[in-house]
Amino acid sequence: QSVLTQPPSVSGAPGQRVTISCTVSSSNIGAGYDVHWYQQLPGTAPKLLIYANNNRPSGVPDRFSGSKSGTSASLAITGLQAEDEADYYCQSSDSSLSGWVFGGGTKLTVL
Amino acid sequence: EVQLVESGGGLVQPGGSLRLSCAASGFTFSSYWMHWVRQAPGKGLVWVSRMNSDGGSTYYADSVKGRFTISRDNAKNTLYLQMNSLRAEDTAVYYCARAVNGRADYWGQGTLVTVSS
Repeated sequence: QSVLTQPPSVSGAPGQRVTISCTVSSSNIGAGYDVHWYQQLPGTAPKLLIYANNNRPSGVPDRFSGSKSGTSASLAITGLQAEDEADYYCQSSDSSLSGWVFGGGTKLTVL
Repeated sequence: EVQLVESGGGLVQPGGSLRLSCAASGFTFSSYWMHWVRQAPGKGLVWVSRMNSDGGSTYYADSVKGRFTISRDNAKNTLYLQMNSLRAEDTAVYYCARAVNGRADYWGQGTLVTVSS
């Protein structure tokens, strides 16, 4: 059982805004640990999408944004496009900062 | 260009062993912590193990502790995962990932391990 809880699925029409939540069920996020987000397109490896809660790596469109408040983090995607259809994962560190924990993943469907 | 290329996956019987490799290029391998992450068919990402940059520190998920061993050869720019006493539930695509400040900034393409009789 993941200590980072995500909704199994979200959907939206092209052009719309969707958000994906990532809620902690232990203290690792509440302790101020960063949350990172990955996008996994079908049949491919994950790709870093947002790091340290709200930062975009070079090349990631500004339609993607992240936030964190208390024990919850969120990924927002605006101006939804067909190519955004993918699985999205949040990730943080365990309480000892020795390993990683992933959310269960959220499948985004673009209607 | 940063590249991580995994190899060594395949079909193995329960109780068997396999060694995965992750060949790194395009960056100073010896400066980075490295991780293994796996994904069972149709399931989510699960962290497996990590090793610090000089190989002096390792950490494992409880599910693989005592059965898997992570190692690296900085002279060969290669990360390894020795997997022993394999179980059906170890069936997954195994990814190696470069770590920066608690996140994976680059991932390999993955190698599939199937444990079945």
